Amino acid sequence: NAGVTQTPKFQVLKTGQSMTLQCAQDMNHNSMYWYRQDPGMGLRLIYYSASEGTTDKGEVPNGYNVSRLNKREFSLRLESAAPSQTSVYFCASSEVWFSRANYGYTFGSGTRLTVV
Amino acid sequence: QKEVEQNSGPLSVPEGAIASLNCTYSDRVSQSFFWYRQYSGKSPELIMSIYSNGDKEDGRFTAQLNKASQYVSLLIRDSQPSDSATYLCAVSGGYNKLIFGAGTRLAVHP
Repeated sequence: NAGVTQTPKFQVLKTGQSMTLQCAQDMNHNSMYWYRQDPGMGLRLIYYSASEGTTDKGEVPNGYNVSRLNKREFSLRLESAAPSQTSVYFCASSEVWFSRANYGYTFGSGTRLTVV
Repeated sequence: QKEVEQNSGPLSVPEGAIASLNCTYSDRVSQSFFWYRQYSGKSPELIMSIYSNGDKEDGRFTAQLNKASQYVSLLIRDSQPSDSATYLCAVSGGYNKLIFGAGTRLAVHP
C-alpha cells in the first residue's frame, strides 16, 4: 500500500545545478500533479498530467519541466536551480473526473529542496 | 486568478471545544470542495470532501458548503490536542485540478 512515492526526501543544490524529482503511484490513477509549498503561500500547482501522454502548465511552471514517463511515473526537472526554487515539493495523484465530481488527491511525502 | 482564502490563524481552542474553520473561494463554477489536514513536516491528508450545498458529517468532522455565498467550512467537535495541525481548503479549479488556500493553523490546548 505504498500510494505515492517521491524521491529524494531531501536535497541541497548549488545555484545552476540540475536535478530530477521522481514520483511514482501504484493506485492506477490517471492524473498526476506537482505542487510546491512555501510558507504563507499554500500549495501552488507547477505542472500536471491529466492522463498518460499529456502534460500542462500550472500556476508556477517557469524554471521547471516534467515528463509523464508512463501511467505510474511523473518526474519534475529543474534545469538550472535558483534560490527562489527552495521549497517543499509534493507530488499527488487522483482519479479522473466522473459526473463533475473529483475524488481528491493522494499526496506523496514530499521533497525538501534547498538551493544555495 | 481563481483564489481560495483562509484565515492563517493560529486558531486556538481548548480541548473538547468546537473548532470552526472557514474558507471562501472566487470561482462560482467550482463543483468539488475538500479539506486536508497537514501536520508539521508531513504531507496533506484528505479528511473531508463535499459537493452539494448543506452539511456533511463524518465522525467528529462536519463540512458545510454554501455555493451561493461561495463559502465552505469545517467544524471539528470535541477537539483534541491531536487535531492541532494546519487545515487546507481546496476547491476544484478546472479539469481535475485543485486550488488550495494557504491554510489555517489550529492549536488545541489541554
